[in-house]
Amino acid sequence: DTGVSQDPRHKITKRGQNVTFRCDPISEHNRLYWYRQTLGQGPEFLTYFQNEAQLEKSRLLSDRFSAERPKGSFSTLEIQRTEQGDSAMYLCASSLAPSHEQYFGPGTRLTVT
Amino acid sequence: DAKTTQPTSMDCAEGRAANLPCNHSTISGNEYVYWYRQIHSQGPQYIIHGLKNNETNEMASLIITEDRKSSTLILPHATLRDTAVYYCIVRVTGNQFYFGTGTSLTVIP
Repeated sequence: DTGVSQDPRHKITKRGQNVTFRCDPISEHNRLYWYRQTLGQGPEFLTYFQNEAQLEKSRLLSDRFSAERPKGSFSTLEIQRTEQGDSAMYLCASSLAPSHEQYFGPGTRLTVT
Repeated sequence: DAKTTQPTSMDCAEGRAANLPCNHSTISGNEYVYWYRQIHSQGPQYIIHGLKNNETNEMASLIITEDRKSSTLILPHATLRDTAVYYCIVRVTGNQFYFGTGTSLTVIP
C-alpha cells in the first residue's frame, strides 16, 4: 500500500502526558499537512510543510504542539502536557506540488483521560 | 464568518443522482473549489476540483455558477457506498483549507 500511513491509530493517555504521532506521506509528495478533527466537525488545519520547511501554522496550534519533518519525508506531531480538549482525530495528508489535491491518512484518534 | 455553507444533511434514493450544493460567496477569483468526502472512521477522500468550468471525472461532476459564488457536486448514480459526509472546500490563505461541517449524505435503498 503506497498511501499515507499514520501511527499509532489509537492513543489513550492521561492528562499532562506527552504524546507523539507519526505520519508517512506518499513517497514522492513534497507537501505535508496536519489537521485535527473533533466529533461532528470537519477537519481543521493545523500546519503545513513543504519538504522539511514548516511554512504555515494555524492559530489552533498552541505552544504545546510542535511538528517536525526533519528530512522532508515522514513527519511527527507532538503534544506536550495533554489536556482533555486535545481529544480528537489527528489527520495527516500529503500532496505533490503544485497540485493541492491532498491524500489523507486514516488518522490517529487521541483520547485524553 | 463561514467560508462555505452546505446543508447539514441530505437523503438520496439508490440509483438516483445526488446533487449536493455549496455556497462560497467570498471565494477569490483565482481560487479553486475542492470537494472531498469522508466515510465514517476514515480519512477524507478527494473527489474533484474546479475553477470556473464544469468538471467531470469517474466519480462525479462539478457545476460552478458563472459568478463562482456557488457550486453543485453531482453523483450521477448514487450507491449505498456513497453514504458519507461531503465537504466543499476553499483555500483560505496560502495552504490553509477550510472544510466546514459538510453535508451528511445518506443513500437509501
